[in-house]
Amino acid sequence: EPEVTQTPSHQVTQMGQEVILRCVPISNHLYFYWYRQILGQKVEFLVSFYNNEISEKSEIFDDQFSVERPDGSNFTLKIRSTKLEDSAMYFCASSSPPRETQYFGPGTRLLVL
Amino acid sequence: DAKTTQPPSMDCAEGRAANLPCNHSTISGNEYVYWYRQIHSQGPQYIIHGLKNNETNEMASLIITEDRKSSTLILPHATLRDTAVYYCIVRVAGYNRDDKIIFGKGTRLHILP
Repeated sequence: EPEVTQTPSHQVTQMGQEVILRCVPISNHLYFYWYRQILGQKVEFLVSFYNNEISEKSEIFDDQFSVERPDGSNFTLKIRSTKLEDSAMYFCASSSPPRETQYFGPGTRLLVL
Repeated sequence: DAKTTQPPSMDCAEGRAANLPCNHSTISGNEYVYWYRQIHSQGPQYIIHGLKNNETNEMASLIITEDRKSSTLILPHATLRDTAVYYCIVRVAGYNRDDKIIFGKGTRLHILP
């Protein structure tokens, strides 16, 4: 069964460093998403992406965040200068039509020290 | 904010049916009811969705009341691996820019041995 994959599973970084989180969506999907979940809190939407551009972004997704689809398979989330409060689980999701079922990856646990 | 109301937690004995309720009294005619679950900080896992008819798949059954203001997710023979947070989500179908999922706090289901 096709699935969304994410790398790395865990990342530890120093405050102020740049991190790139990688996702491989399901192969025939065209709509891509990033969500995050701070420990003990709800899953929160960050950004949606289609046709090489951002469709929607939340207030969390400020200038420190960017997304890219560098090739036909990867979808990345970059945090330019990490802050302590960026520590969270980051989930990638993909769907075929945009309002159809979104399938989530296993997540990347980011710890900013 | 999430448009659904769920009990914060429930217990169910292993091998019994787990019935998870959800209220969505303001649901619109073009909104689907989706269920996801999250097992201990893993990525949200899609379970099932429906519009107005009852639905069944290999994981669960979804019973939607005739007025569509509430629904019940049924796990027919709960196992310890079904211990998770279950999210009931209302989403509009069809193409639209606003296709993000808004997660609430869900129901924490404990399966008891």
